[in-house]
Amino acid sequence: AQTVTQSQPEMSVQEAETVTLSCTYDTSESDYYLFWYKQPPSRQMILVIRQEAYKQQNATENRFSVNFQKAAKSFSLKISDSQLGDAAMYFCAYRSVSSGTYKYIFGTGTRLKVLA
Amino acid sequence: DTAVSQTPKYLVTQMGNDKSIKCEQNLGHDTMYWYKQDSKKFLKIMFSYNNKELIINETVPNRFSPKSPDKAHLNLHINSLELGDSAVYFCASSKGTSGYSYEQYFGPGTRLTVT
Repeated sequence: AQTVTQSQPEMSVQEAETVTLSCTYDTSESDYYLFWYKQPPSRQMILVIRQEAYKQQNATENRFSVNFQKAAKSFSLKISDSQLGDAAMYFCAYRSVSSGTYKYIFGTGTRLKVLA
Repeated sequence: DTAVSQTPKYLVTQMGNDKSIKCEQNLGHDTMYWYKQDSKKFLKIMFSYNNKELIINETVPNRFSPKSPDKAHLNLHINSLELGDSAVYFCASSKGTSGYSYEQYFGPGTRLTVT
């Protein structure tokens, strides 16, 4: 069974600095999707970025980028130029693309604090 | 033009009562989910429907019963509420068909408090 591990329960970053949140996963599959979701205090779950496993190029969305290391089964999220509004829980998620599979596996989350 | 909506957003009720949470999506997705998020923020999947068919049914007490009248709606009914049911319940939807990016969209959540 697939698992997703976020080993950092909490991280802090100074405003305008860069922070990296780590995520590792375990799977025997070769194709899958990985996601980072943000949950601010408003509790709304917001998709930040996605990565398809067979694409070697790391996904980027404005200040958010990932470092996808397929062999190492690592999927870290880098936030550049951190802003106060980035303070939130961040969840890493895995989704198989195998036929008939619909389940998303979420990590336990990392709480990011942004210091002014 | 809300993508995934849930009602109510807050629900306070007493132990033993029966309550329902409704979810609707206007994204044209064919798969919908219910998650429970506990006080430690852990997201646990409860149920999933694909084209109105139950496809995921995790270890959840029988007091929880999902119902999907059509592809755009997935409701959650909870009987005989207990203190441990207090949590935030999220509805979500996605395309379950291959060829799509499988992005999952979440509703705003329903904070259930059982007293």
